[in-house]
Amino acid sequence: QKEVEQDPGPLSVPEGAIVSLNCTYSNSAFQYFMWYRQYSRKGPELLMYTYSSGNKEDGRFTAQVDKSSKYISLFIRDSQPSDSATYLCAFMNYGGSQGNLIFGKGTKLSVKP
Amino acid sequence: KAGVTQTPRYLIKTRGQQVTLSCSPISGHRSVSWYQQTPGQGLQFLFEYFSETQRNKGNFPGRFSGRQFSNSRSEMNVSTLELGDSALYLCASSRERTADTQYFGPGTRLTVL
Repeated sequence: QKEVEQDPGPLSVPEGAIVSLNCTYSNSAFQYFMWYRQYSRKGPELLMYTYSSGNKEDGRFTAQVDKSSKYISLFIRDSQPSDSATYLCAFMNYGGSQGNLIFGKGTKLSVKP
Repeated sequence: KAGVTQTPRYLIKTRGQQVTLSCSPISGHRSVSWYQQTPGQGLQFLFEYFSETQRNKGNFPGRFSGRQFSNSRSEMNVSTLELGDSALYLCASSRERTADTQYFGPGTRLTVL
């Protein structure tokens, strides 16, 4: 079983749609859950950062973590063409000096005007 | 505040050569991590440096090495380049602990011919 699974897409939606992006993971030691957005030819940019189960909202973005199911989601409301990018889930198991990010392979999202 | 900068942005090398990539973290950040991004494997952790010491290392061969200077700037070196080393190499900086938010640079695109 892979440590992190993320559907690569591509996902194409019309402008204004609600987008749902998901990742599953197998490592129970993951304590931090993140979503990054990466535009073409750019480095990843942190969108959301959580360390507990539940929902966290920031503008049009909502991150959801379900530790019992080992499942995280990112919802984008009122999607815009500028949201077109690759979205990467990331996880961290932080214990002492053993911290580093484990990434999903990314979902490519295209929002059509 | 200036973001993470990486130089050069693009690099073309031939098999067997070696290459050095540079990363300047955000001012005040002491932790620098390096990642390799390829279409097949996604983003994979290479190593992390903190206060000039390697604090964590990913599962890459010894041809990949790095160092950090007293001003927190970091370099990574790849010796005896192989075709499979063609990738986007990303540097990320954070304040102290790896669990702090990691900010990514734009990356160096390395092509090995």
